[in-house]
Amino acid sequence: AQTVTQSQPEMSVQEAETVTLSCTYDTSENNYYLFWYKQPPSRQMILVIRQEAYKQQNATENRFSVNFQKAAKSFSLKISDSQLGDTAMYFCAFMKQQVNQAGTALIFGKGTTLSVSS
Amino acid sequence: DTGVSQNPRHKITKRGQNVTFRCDPISEHNRLYWYRQTLGQGPEFLTYFQNEAQLEKSRLLSDRFSAERPKGSFSTLEIQRTEQGDSAMYLCASSLGGTGKVNSPLHFGNGTRLTVT
Repeated sequence: AQTVTQSQPEMSVQEAETVTLSCTYDTSENNYYLFWYKQPPSRQMILVIRQEAYKQQNATENRFSVNFQKAAKSFSLKISDSQLGDTAMYFCAFMKQQVNQAGTALIFGKGTTLSVSS
Repeated sequence: DTGVSQNPRHKITKRGQNVTFRCDPISEHNRLYWYRQTLGQGPEFLTYFQNEAQLEKSRLLSDRFSAERPKGSFSTLEIQRTEQGDSAMYLCASSLGGTGKVNSPLHFGNGTRLTVT
């Protein structure tokens, strides 16, 4: 079974600074997807960034980037130029890729609460 | 694209009662997922549909829980004989995927908050 571990329950950062959230996962699969989702206090889960395991290049979305280390099974999220609106709970998630395209469940970590202060 | 819609937003019920939640996915999405989330925790997978077929169920889904997606569009999640431990946020998500389709990420609804008294 796949597991996702987020070892930082809470993080805080000042506006305009950079913060990195950690995530490790355990799987025997070779083909899979990794995600970071954001859940603001309003509680709707929003996709931040996605990485396919077969891609060596780290994904980037504006101020958000990842450091994907496949051998180490590590998938950290870097937020640059932090903004007050980045305050939220951040979840790392894993989905294995099914050969028959049936799809599988998205497995989440326990989350990291990020607080951005002015 | 109106997003994933869940109803009701809040439900308060007494222990032992049955409750049913509804999820309307994004219209072109063929996959639908149910998750349960307790305060301060990550979402826990409950079950997943591709079209009308229920393809995967978590061991968390006891025999008091049942989910349906009869026409491959909206889905319902029913909890029978509710217990206080069922109090949680129930999240629905949808995505597009499968043979010949580009796998899209999951899009989540706002959730239904269940309180069992």
